[in-house]
Amino acid sequence: AAGVIQSPRHLIKEKRETATLKCYPIPRHDTVYWYQQGPGQDPQFLISFYEKMQSDKGSIPDRFSAQQFSDYHSELNMSSLELGDSALYFCASSLKRRYEQYFGPGTRLTVT
Amino acid sequence: AQKITQTQPGMFVQEKEAVTLDCTYDTSDQSYGLFWYKQPSSGEMIFLIYQGSYDEQNATEGRYSLNFQKARKSANLVISASQLGDSAMYFCAMKESGGGADGLTFGKGTHLIIQP
Repeated sequence: AAGVIQSPRHLIKEKRETATLKCYPIPRHDTVYWYQQGPGQDPQFLISFYEKMQSDKGSIPDRFSAQQFSDYHSELNMSSLELGDSALYFCASSLKRRYEQYFGPGTRLTVT
Repeated sequence: AQKITQTQPGMFVQEKEAVTLDCTYDTSDQSYGLFWYKQPSSGEMIFLIYQGSYDEQNATEGRYSLNFQKARKSANLVISASQLGDSAMYFCAMKESGGGADGLTFGKGTHLIIQP
């Protein structure tokens, strides 16, 4: 079965640089979620999109923005990167009417 | 207050034994969902099992079952006949329906190690 695809899988950036993470949801899933998991931490919800509109917002820093495109893929844009942004970033997808969220493999971002 | 509490930071279990991972939750919503995810050392987050608040029967998926006790607000994961490949971090999570909240709230996790 098709799963959530995330790219890149690994990314190394320097402080103050920008990064763009991409997410391709499971086919026919209409809702995309972004989570951030710091080292040794549980995942924290950042933001979600349903039918290309922002649906809910969690603890996403103002330096981050995201959008969902017409083909339902989503991008998380991160600017002015800080050392504390080093984390595993997950994208998950679901059908809006269902609770189950399926996670992608994650993008490991390292900020040096 | 913590919405999801996992009281076992780490557990060691002998291979082939059954394992119970504890999870208690706190919500005032009537409709909510409870989840368990497995995170191996490679990092991916693997969906294991889901229980809806209105489901009267405990959810089961292969060797995984969820012991749902609504009055006690607990949603323990039971793994039968544990295997070495079950060694991983396990997260309990909840999705509430109130306020249009979309994101899952996770517990701090339990690090399970299966010993041969």
